[in-house]
Amino acid sequence: ILNVEQSPQSLHVQEGDSTNFTCSFPSSNFYALHWYRWETAKSPEALFVMTLNGDEKKKGRISATLNTKEGYSYLYIKGSQPEDSATYLCAFMSGANNLFFGTGTRLTVIP
Amino acid sequence: DGGITQSPKYLFRKEGQNVTLSCEQNLNHDAMYWYRQDPGQGLRLIYYSQIVNDFQKGDIAEGYSVSREKKESFPLTVTSAQKNPTAFYLCASRGYLQETQYFGPGTRLLVL
Repeated sequence: ILNVEQSPQSLHVQEGDSTNFTCSFPSSNFYALHWYRWETAKSPEALFVMTLNGDEKKKGRISATLNTKEGYSYLYIKGSQPEDSATYLCAFMSGANNLFFGTGTRLTVIP
Repeated sequence: DGGITQSPKYLFRKEGQNVTLSCEQNLNHDAMYWYRQDPGQGLRLIYYSQIVNDFQKGDIAEGYSVSREKKESFPLTVTSAQKNPTAFYLCASRGYLQETQYFGPGTRLLVL
């Protein structure tokens, strides 16, 4: 089982603040890096799949970057809104069926 | 609506009992997965199946069994050999040549 670490474990921000979290993963045998958003009582929802070193992806106010050589990815949320409150999971993929998840960052946006 | 359904939402198991968690998808996905979540841990892979009538053990398969008789369905049985079954169970599926896994809403299993 590979070690995927996310930090911080939890985060409280004020509405309108921008924030970011980190996902660290092994720098060898890299296939892809996934980000998911998991709201309470809902299914995890895919945000991004990133495959190339230097990749940057954006979806509305959320964006992500990838550094496969040093083994980290950042997720950024610009101008946080209460509806952004969720747990954000990253998952390292070393093969088509091998997805290793971090423990997540729980974000709470305070109105 | 296309998606993944899991039932029941909550399931109670008595000591020594086998229970089966249902997972159905109508996304026409080939691959299906079962994960377990425990407090303070990431999702861990129990079993996966890439095609009908074939499945592979994941990282924590002991005490679990699966079947894949139909493309749409991938039930998970938690056997009495699983000594610590209390957890949240998530099912996922993935289309051919896709990388994204799509998740169901989960089943919470509690031991009485």
